[in-house]
Amino acid sequence: GAGVSQSPSNKVTEKGKDVELRCDPISGHTALYWYRQSLGQGLEFLIYFQGNSAPDKSGLPSDRFSAERTGGSVSTLTIQRTQQEDSAVYLCASSSAGGPETQYFGPGTRLLVL
Amino acid sequence: QQQVKQSPQSLIVQKGGISIINCAYENTAFDYFPWYQQFPGKGPALLIAIRPDVSEKKEGRFTISFNKSAKQFSLHIMDSQPGDSATYFCAASYSNYQLIWGAGTKLIIKP
Repeated sequence: GAGVSQSPSNKVTEKGKDVELRCDPISGHTALYWYRQSLGQGLEFLIYFQGNSAPDKSGLPSDRFSAERTGGSVSTLTIQRTQQEDSAVYLCASSSAGGPETQYFGPGTRLLVL
Repeated sequence: QQQVKQSPQSLIVQKGGISIINCAYENTAFDYFPWYQQFPGKGPALLIAIRPDVSEKKEGRFTISFNKSAKQFSLHIMDSQPGDSATYFCAASYSNYQLIWGAGTKLIIKP
């Protein structure tokens, strides 16, 4: 049984470049979340997708961040014109229900902006 | 009011001892309180969760104690083992999809 997968596992980029992070949720899970985890910090909510509903983008820190979810499955988080403060672990989670219960997390993408 | 404050930031416990991590919240609308465990290089995984209609929930060596009047909840790990060494996060939600997370506690169990 496959869990949530994310790619790449690590990404090093130069300031000003764009990056794309990918999340493959558990098959059949309708809810998908993106979080950012900075060193020594808790998880910061970024965006939430549920089925065909409009996503909740309230956690995106700036307009340089965007995400999409194609066909209700795979999601891509895009960060444009990366800044050093974007360096963090980006975590994706999926859930079979729309509530807060049991989010299954991927291993994360570690992004380092030089 | 949306914050969940977690303490301590780090904790060292001897093998066999009791590990206790505390969280406090302000929003009385919160009604779901999970604890997640995260090992290095992995995403968090749900450990145990409680709703405010009970004061305690136990699963194996892990217990959540919930004090509604004090707006506090805590995780107790009995007979702590080196394999329990991880970062623990508390969180809270008011039955929508969004979890508000504590800052995490790095737990080290000394053999």
